Amino acid sequence: EVQLVESGGGLVQPGRSLRLSCAASGINFEDYAMHWVRQVPGKGLEWVSGISWNSGTTGYADSVKGRFTISRDNAKNSLYLQMNSLRAEDTALYYCTKDTRTKYYGSGRYFYFMDVWGKGTTVTVSS
Amino acid sequence: EIVLTQSPATLSLSPGERATLSCRASQSVSSDLAWYQQKPGQAPRLLIYEASIRATGIPARFSGSGYGTDFTLTISSLEPEDFALYYCQQRSNWPPALTFGGGTKVEI
Repeated sequence: EVQLVESGGGLVQPGRSLRLSCAASGINFEDYAMHWVRQVPGKGLEWVSGISWNSGTTGYADSVKGRFTISRDNAKNSLYLQMNSLRAEDTALYYCTKDTRTKYYGSGRYFYFMDVWGKGTTVTVSS
Repeated sequence: EIVLTQSPATLSLSPGERATLSCRASQSVSSDLAWYQQKPGQAPRLLIYEASIRATGIPARFSGSGYGTDFTLTISSLEPEDFALYYCQQRSNWPPALTFGGGTKVEI
C-alpha cells in the first residue's frame, strides 16, 4: 500500500523554526518528485514547495521563498521541509504529496500533478 | 504568475443531475491542468490530469475537457458521494511551480 506519513507539526512562536518530515512507503521513492501543499482550515489549497527526484530542481511559492527549504533523503525514503522565520499566516495543515510522473518522463526536472497525499500535519504559529 | 479562476464558487444540485465546473487560466497552460476532489476531513484526491485523463480508479462519470485557458470538469450524474470541494491545478516549468484555483463547492 502506498503511504505518505507526515510528522513534525506543532505549536511554535512567530519567528521560530520547525522541520516537517514525510515518510514514504509502498513506492520507489527515488523515482518521483515530491511536494508540500498546505491548507488553512476552511480555505483552499496552496502549493508550498516541490523537489525533483534527485534534488536537482526545487521550487517554492512566493509566500515562503527565502524562509522554507525543501530537501529529501532517498536512502531513507523521506522528504523534509525546514521552515524558518515562521509567521502567523503559515498556520495550516501541511500535506506531503507524490508527483504523478517518474524521473524517466521528459527531462525528469519538472513538476506535474499529485496522485498520492498524506493525511497532513498541523502547524500553528502563535505566541 | 498564472492565476486560475474557478466558477461558480458554489454549485447547488441534486443527485442524478449533471455538474459542470469551470476553471479559467490567466494565460495558456496548454493541457497542463488537473482536477482534485476534497471531502471534509480528508486529503484531496486526484481525479483528472493533463486536462482529460482520468486518474486510476476514478469513475467514468467524471470527465475533463479543455485546452489553453478554459477547462471544464463534468460529473455526468451526481452520486451522493460526489458532493464535495473541487480544485483545479496547473503546472509551469519555469519557474518550477504548481498553482491551485480557489475551488468550487458542489452542494446538495
